[in-house]
Amino acid sequence: ETGVTQTPRHLVMGMTNKKSLKCEQHLGHNAMYWYKQSAKKPLELMFVYSLEERVENNSVPSRFSPECPNSSHLFLHLHTLQPEDSALYLCASSQDRGGTEAFFGQGTRLTVV
Amino acid sequence: TQLLEQSPQFLSIQEGENLTVYCNSSSVFSSLQWYRQEPGEGPVLLVTVVTGGEVKKLKRLTFQFGDARKDSSLHITAAQPGDTGLYLCAGYPIYTGNQFYFGTGTSLTVIP
Repeated sequence: ETGVTQTPRHLVMGMTNKKSLKCEQHLGHNAMYWYKQSAKKPLELMFVYSLEERVENNSVPSRFSPECPNSSHLFLHLHTLQPEDSALYLCASSQDRGGTEAFFGQGTRLTVV
Repeated sequence: TQLLEQSPQFLSIQEGENLTVYCNSSSVFSSLQWYRQEPGEGPVLLVTVVTGGEVKKLKRLTFQFGDARKDSSLHITAAQPGDTGLYLCAGYPIYTGNQFYFGTGTSLTVIP
């Protein structure tokens, strides 16, 4: 248990569906992140939020839409995804952006059919 | 081009053997972290090294941070099947802003 909880753990969705991934951290951290991990590829940073403000968006397609309503919660809204978006989506948090350690949730395994 | 290169990429060894995983960069890092990730799970933080030349031990795992803070190594003594997983180094380079970079990963399989 790392203090970062992601739901759901597994998600299968069609290309026309809309779904959301949820991340919650109980560590009092100020920075939260979304990463994508595809098979045999390094972790890809998608979005960074610091103090609820999006500070980084690494050229992620608009079919991925993040939301950070408060410092403890982070969402990733998904719509009209493609099969190549199937991956493990990981949420992480750190004390501050530039903090020394990031703590990860268990991930959501997403399959787009 | 990856900022942090790990080697080897894949490693399969027998239970009881020793191994070393390397994490190298041309950039200087304020600190480096090592994570282990099991299939379908998120990475779990193992250790953080901060001082150049620092050595940290975690049971059978020994972590070292290079003197110049550009590289790190992870040595496992008498590997166990429970050590199987993806090992990732990560950190913040001091001259390239506040981006947290991950290494390319080393997939370790320990055969009973």
